[in-house]
Amino acid sequence: DTAVSQTPKYLVTQMGNDKSIKCEQNLGHDTMYWYKQDSKKFLKIMFSYNNKELIINETVPNRFSPKSPDKAHLNLHINSLELGDSAVYFCASSQMTGENYGYTFGSGTRLTVV
Amino acid sequence: AQSVTQLDSHVSVSEGTPVLLRCNYSSSYSPSLFWYVQHPNKGLQLLLKYTSAATLVKGINGFEAEFKKSETSFHLTKPSAHMSDAAEYFCVVSLRALTFGSGTRLQVQP
Repeated sequence: DTAVSQTPKYLVTQMGNDKSIKCEQNLGHDTMYWYKQDSKKFLKIMFSYNNKELIINETVPNRFSPKSPDKAHLNLHINSLELGDSAVYFCASSQMTGENYGYTFGSGTRLTVV
Repeated sequence: AQSVTQLDSHVSVSEGTPVLLRCNYSSSYSPSLFWYVQHPNKGLQLLLKYTSAATLVKGINGFEAEFKKSETSFHLTKPSAHMSDAAEYFCVVSLRALTFGSGTRLQVQP
Protein backbone atom coordinates (compact mmCIF):
# COMPACT_ATOMS: atom_id res chain seq x y z
CA ASP A 1 0.00 0.00 0.00
CA THR A 2 2.95 2.31 -0.64
CA ALA A 3 1.69 5.83 -1.34
CA VAL A 4 4.57 6.98 -3.57
CA SER A 5 6.72 4.22 -4.96
CA GLN A 6 9.91 4.56 -6.97
CA THR A 7 11.77 1.93 -8.89
CA PRO A 8 14.50 0.96 -8.81
CA LYS A 9 15.71 1.70 -5.30
CA TYR A 10 19.35 1.39 -6.34
CA LEU A 11 20.85 1.91 -9.78
CA VAL A 12 24.52 1.48 -10.66
CA THR A 13 25.49 2.21 -14.23
CA GLN A 14 28.38 3.28 -16.40
CA MET A 15 29.03 6.71 -17.80
CA GLY A 16 27.34 7.31 -21.11
CA ASN A 17 24.43 4.96 -20.49
CA ASP A 18 20.77 5.92 -20.61
CA LYS A 19 18.55 5.02 -17.65
CA SER A 20 15.05 5.61 -16.37
CA ILE A 21 13.54 5.91 -12.92
CA LYS A 22 9.85 5.27 -12.46
CA CYS A 23 7.47 6.82 -9.96
CA GLU A 24 3.87 6.02 -9.18
CA GLN A 25 1.49 7.42 -6.60
CA ASN A 26 -1.82 5.96 -5.45
CA LEU A 27 -2.97 8.96 -3.42
CA GLY A 28 -5.07 10.55 -6.15
CA HIS A 29 -2.80 13.61 -6.09
CA ASP A 30 -2.69 15.76 -9.18
CA THR A 31 0.84 17.14 -8.89
CA MET A 32 4.11 15.21 -8.93
CA TYR A 33 7.73 16.26 -8.52
CA TRP A 34 11.29 15.10 -8.95
CA TYR A 35 13.91 16.25 -6.46
CA LYS A 36 17.64 15.61 -6.50
CA GLN A 37 19.66 15.16 -3.29
CA ASP A 38 23.40 15.55 -3.75
CA SER A 39 26.23 14.08 -1.73
CA LYS A 40 26.00 16.95 0.77
CA LYS A 41 22.33 16.14 1.41
CA PHE A 42 21.13 19.27 -0.38
CA LEU A 43 17.69 18.78 -1.94
CA LYS A 44 16.59 20.70 -5.00
CA ILE A 45 13.48 20.64 -7.17
CA MET A 46 14.04 19.49 -10.73
CA PHE A 47 10.61 19.14 -12.29
CA SER A 48 6.94 19.30 -11.44
CA TYR A 49 3.91 18.07 -13.36
CA ASN A 50 0.29 18.97 -12.70
CA ASN A 51 -2.22 16.71 -14.43
CA LYS A 52 0.40 15.60 -16.96
CA GLU A 53 1.43 19.18 -17.73
CA LEU A 54 4.95 20.40 -16.98
CA ILE A 55 4.75 23.37 -14.61
CA ILE A 56 8.21 23.56 -13.09
CA ASN A 57 11.40 22.99 -15.05
CA GLU A 58 14.38 24.17 -13.07
CA THR A 59 17.86 24.59 -14.51
CA VAL A 60 18.50 20.97 -15.33
CA PRO A 61 20.60 19.61 -18.23
CA ASN A 62 18.63 18.60 -21.31
CA ARG A 63 19.83 15.05 -20.74
CA PHE A 64 17.11 14.82 -18.08
CA SER A 65 13.63 14.36 -19.49
CA PRO A 66 10.54 13.78 -17.35
CA LYS A 67 7.52 12.03 -18.75
CA SER A 68 4.06 11.84 -17.23
CA PRO A 69 1.77 9.38 -19.05
CA ASP A 70 -1.00 10.08 -16.54
CA LYS A 71 -1.35 11.99 -13.31
CA ALA A 72 -0.42 8.96 -11.22
CA HIS A 73 2.96 8.44 -12.91
CA LEU A 74 6.02 10.60 -13.40
CA ASN A 75 9.10 8.96 -14.86
CA LEU A 76 12.58 10.42 -15.21
CA HIS A 77 14.77 9.48 -18.14
CA ILE A 78 18.45 10.40 -18.14
CA ASN A 79 20.58 10.25 -21.29
CA SER A 80 24.36 10.01 -21.49
CA LEU A 81 24.87 9.66 -17.77
CA GLU A 82 27.77 11.55 -16.20
CA LEU A 83 29.62 11.03 -12.92
CA GLY A 84 28.00 14.19 -11.55
CA ASP A 85 24.56 12.67 -11.94
CA SER A 86 25.29 10.39 -9.01
CA ALA A 87 22.76 11.34 -6.35
CA VAL A 88 19.56 10.25 -4.66
CA TYR A 89 16.47 11.13 -6.66
CA PHE A 90 13.19 11.56 -4.82
CA CYS A 91 9.75 11.55 -6.33
CA ALA A 92 6.95 13.35 -4.48
CA SER A 93 3.30 14.17 -4.94
CA SER A 94 0.82 16.69 -3.58
CA GLN A 95 -2.87 17.34 -3.93
CA MET A 96 -2.38 20.73 -5.52
CA THR A 97 0.40 23.14 -6.20
CA GLY A 98 0.82 25.87 -3.64
CA GLU A 99 1.81 26.11 -0.06
CA ASN A 100 -1.04 24.65 1.93
CA TYR A 101 -1.02 21.07 0.78
CA GLY A 102 0.92 18.16 2.09
CA TYR A 103 3.64 16.50 0.10
CA THR A 104 4.36 12.78 0.18
CA PHE A 105 7.80 11.54 -0.80
CA GLY A 106 8.94 8.25 -2.20
CA SER A 107 11.82 6.41 -0.56
CA GLY A 108 14.33 7.57 -3.15
CA THR A 109 16.46 6.05 -5.91
CA ARG A 110 20.19 6.03 -5.29
CA LEU A 111 21.91 6.45 -8.65
CA THR A 112 25.63 5.72 -8.86
CA VAL A 113 27.44 6.44 -12.11
CA VAL A 114 30.83 4.75 -12.45
CA ALA B 1 12.12 35.00 -3.52
CA GLN B 2 11.44 32.70 -0.62
CA SER B 3 14.23 30.81 1.10
CA VAL B 4 15.19 29.22 4.38
CA THR B 5 18.51 29.22 6.21
CA GLN B 6 19.39 26.55 8.71
CA LEU B 7 21.84 28.10 11.08
CA ASP B 8 23.60 24.93 12.22
CA SER B 9 24.87 22.19 9.95
CA HIS B 10 25.46 19.88 12.91
CA VAL B 11 23.96 19.71 16.41
CA SER B 12 25.00 17.25 19.09
CA VAL B 13 22.99 16.68 22.30
CA SER B 14 22.90 14.11 25.05
CA GLU B 15 19.98 11.76 25.37
CA GLY B 16 17.30 13.28 27.58
CA THR B 17 18.36 16.89 27.00
CA PRO B 18 16.44 19.48 24.93
CA VAL B 19 16.84 19.82 21.19
CA LEU B 20 16.90 23.14 19.32
CA LEU B 21 17.33 23.24 15.56
CA ARG B 22 17.31 26.76 14.16
CA CYS B 23 15.75 27.99 10.95
CA ASN B 24 15.26 31.49 9.58
CA TYR B 25 13.12 32.21 6.57
CA SER B 26 12.99 34.92 4.00
CA SER B 27 9.65 35.73 2.41
CA SER B 28 7.75 38.73 1.18
CA TYR B 29 4.57 37.41 2.76
CA SER B 30 3.53 34.89 5.38
CA PRO B 31 4.96 31.61 4.14
CA SER B 32 4.04 27.99 4.62
CA LEU B 33 6.86 26.30 6.49
CA PHE B 34 7.64 22.68 7.16
CA TRP B 35 10.14 20.53 8.98
CA TYR B 36 11.09 17.22 7.42
CA VAL B 37 13.28 14.49 8.88
CA GLN B 38 15.46 12.02 7.00
CA HIS B 39 16.87 9.05 8.86
CA PRO B 40 20.04 7.45 7.44
CA ASN B 41 19.42 5.90 4.03
CA LYS B 42 15.71 6.58 4.32
CA GLY B 43 13.19 8.83 2.66
CA LEU B 44 11.73 12.11 3.89
CA GLN B 45 9.10 12.23 6.60
CA LEU B 46 6.99 15.25 7.47
CA LEU B 47 7.43 16.29 11.12
CA LEU B 48 5.13 19.31 11.16
CA LYS B 49 3.87 22.21 9.08
CA TYR B 50 2.88 25.82 9.65
CA THR B 51 0.16 27.29 7.46
CA SER B 52 -0.82 30.41 9.43
CA ALA B 53 -3.48 28.75 11.61
CA ALA B 54 -1.46 28.81 14.85
CA THR B 55 2.04 30.04 15.55
CA LEU B 56 2.95 27.08 17.76
CA VAL B 57 2.82 23.90 15.76
CA LYS B 58 2.98 20.45 17.27
CA GLY B 59 4.33 17.60 15.22
CA ILE B 60 5.06 13.93 15.52
CA ASN B 61 7.44 12.30 18.01
CA GLY B 62 7.22 15.18 20.48
CA PHE B 63 8.62 17.86 18.18
CA GLU B 64 7.17 21.32 17.91
CA ALA B 65 8.06 24.57 16.19
CA GLU B 66 7.10 28.18 16.74
CA PHE B 67 6.59 30.66 13.93
CA LYS B 68 7.92 34.08 14.96
CA LYS B 69 7.23 36.68 12.34
CA SER B 70 9.17 39.42 14.15
CA GLU B 71 12.29 37.25 14.10
CA THR B 72 11.53 35.50 10.79
CA SER B 73 12.27 32.24 12.55
CA PHE B 74 10.76 28.77 12.67
CA HIS B 75 12.93 26.86 15.13
CA LEU B 76 12.31 23.19 15.86
CA THR B 77 12.39 22.00 19.46
CA LYS B 78 11.91 18.88 21.51
CA PRO B 79 12.05 18.78 25.33
CA SER B 80 13.98 15.54 25.63
CA ALA B 81 16.09 13.91 22.92
CA HIS B 82 15.92 10.21 22.22
CA MET B 83 18.55 8.12 20.47
CA SER B 84 16.08 7.48 17.65
CA ASP B 85 15.96 11.23 16.90
CA ALA B 86 19.42 11.09 15.35
CA ALA B 87 18.83 12.08 11.72
CA GLU B 88 19.05 14.91 9.20
CA TYR B 89 16.44 17.64 9.63
CA PHE B 90 15.30 20.00 6.90
CA CYS B 91 13.50 23.30 7.25
CA VAL B 92 11.39 23.86 4.15
CA VAL B 93 9.36 26.70 2.63
CA SER B 94 6.67 26.13 0.05
CA LEU B 95 5.53 28.14 -2.92
CA ARG B 96 5.24 26.39 -6.27
CA ALA B 97 7.23 23.52 -4.83
CA LEU B 98 9.20 22.84 -1.68
CA THR B 99 12.44 24.75 -1.20
CA PHE B 100 14.72 22.98 1.24
CA GLY B 101 17.26 24.38 3.67
CA SER B 102 20.72 22.89 3.71
CA GLY B 103 19.88 20.51 6.57
CA THR B 104 20.98 20.05 10.17
CA ARG B 105 22.44 16.77 11.26
CA LEU B 106 21.30 15.90 14.77
CA GLN B 107 23.54 13.60 16.74
CA VAL B 108 22.29 12.16 20.06
CA GLN B 109 24.91 10.96 22.52
CA PRO B 110 24.07 8.23 25.07
